[in-house]
Amino acid sequence: EDKVVQSPLSLVVHEGDTVTLNCSYEVTNFRSLLWYKQEKKAPTFLFMLTSSGIEKKSGRLSSILDKKELFSILNITATQTGDSAVYLCAVQAYSGAGSYQLTFGKGTKLSVIP
Amino acid sequence: DTEVTQTPKHLVMGMTNKKSLKCEQHMGHRAMYWYKQKAKKPPELMFVYSYEKLSINESVPSRFSPECPNSSLLNLHLHALQPEDSALYLCASSQGEAAHFTSYEQYFGPGTRLTVT
Repeated sequence: EDKVVQSPLSLVVHEGDTVTLNCSYEVTNFRSLLWYKQEKKAPTFLFMLTSSGIEKKSGRLSSILDKKELFSILNITATQTGDSAVYLCAVQAYSGAGSYQLTFGKGTKLSVIP
Repeated sequence: DTEVTQTPKHLVMGMTNKKSLKCEQHMGHRAMYWYKQKAKKPPELMFVYSYEKLSINESVPSRFSPECPNSSLLNLHLHALQPEDSALYLCASSQGEAAHFTSYEQYFGPGTRLTVT
């Protein structure tokens, strides 16, 4: 059974801090790893990673994938209160019969306090 | 237009009611998805449509019936639901369904908050 494990499950930091969120996975037929940010409603897409060692960056957020060690990290620098959310990691893998599935981790709840 | 829209935003229904959730996207995406999300849990995949054909049905009870009338629309018909079916129902779309050499990010709609009484 495919597994996606995120750590920590929750994190409280002060504005301006840098945080690192972790996602490890055990899947067969890995295809890609995605990061989402979920506030009150639907998840918002952040990054999709398919190749090892290539950092993706968007403003203060960056992410990298290690396909040998089967993990990814999401970094947020100079955190702001608006970064408070649940960060979901999801892995896309081939599930057989020509289909691919997205398996989500439980998420990391980040709280940024002023 | 880079949006996935869902209606209604909130729905309260009794166990004997029949209702439908609607999802629409105009990004030219050819794969659409229904997820169910309970409080403080990650989304769980229910159905995948690829090129308007049902591709994956994750052993969802028959009281949930999906329909894809065209490539832009996805419906979820609800009948005889149970209180434990109360959840946030999320629709998502992607450019295509992942294949051996390609992978596509999924874009989510705002969800329908369903309460079954």
